[in-house]
Amino acid sequence: QVQLVQSGAEVKKPGASVKVSCKASGYTFLGYYIHWVRQAPGHGLEWMGRLNPNSGDTNYAQKFQGRVAMTSDTSTSTAYMELTRLRSDDTAIFYCARDFAGSFFGYWGQGTLVTVSS
Amino acid sequence: SYELTQPPSVSVSPGQTASITCSGEKLGDQNVCWYQQKTGQSPVAVIYQDTKRPSGIPERFSGSNVGNTATLTISGTQVTDEADYYCQAWDSTTYVFGAGTKLTVL
Repeated sequence: QVQLVQSGAEVKKPGASVKVSCKASGYTFLGYYIHWVRQAPGHGLEWMGRLNPNSGDTNYAQKFQGRVAMTSDTSTSTAYMELTRLRSDDTAIFYCARDFAGSFFGYWGQGTLVTVSS
Repeated sequence: SYELTQPPSVSVSPGQTASITCSGEKLGDQNVCWYQQKTGQSPVAVIYQDTKRPSGIPERFSGSNVGNTATLTISGTQVTDEADYYCQAWDSTTYVFGAGTKLTVL
């Protein structure tokens, strides 16, 4: 079965960077986009961008352009999302999600809580 | 940037029909999906491509998308349907979520 398993919670100081991983299993990693979604405490879902693991191509939401990088290691079927220049309002749960039939996010990771605090 | 508007909250009695709307300019020209998120859990898709249900989603969940408004309808709402619901639309390279609607079943 398809599984996306994310790395554990992180605590970072303002100005630092965080890199969250998402290990995929149960399907052909190269065949589907991986998306990243942010959810601040008590707030809604916010799409950050997507990665094509086959080509390495990315599309980022304008809000995160210049601060986010999405990459993958195809040898371990793992996707990564790095967010730089962290601020306190970046405190959130970050989810990875996989396309289903190119039309919706059919599979989600369990989420990774990133806390930004001095 | 493209925006999707949802009501912050909807209340329904058990067994009744709940309708949650999602509005956006020419939304009917796009594919819309809906996610259910229960407290402390990852989202789950309940509707995709406006009207389709993923495997395992009960038939009481249905969707429509006409003009500027997409609607998620839950027939015979159960207490277990209490959750936050988000609509989502996308063009070729950009995805956007609505702000979410809290469905209360009481």
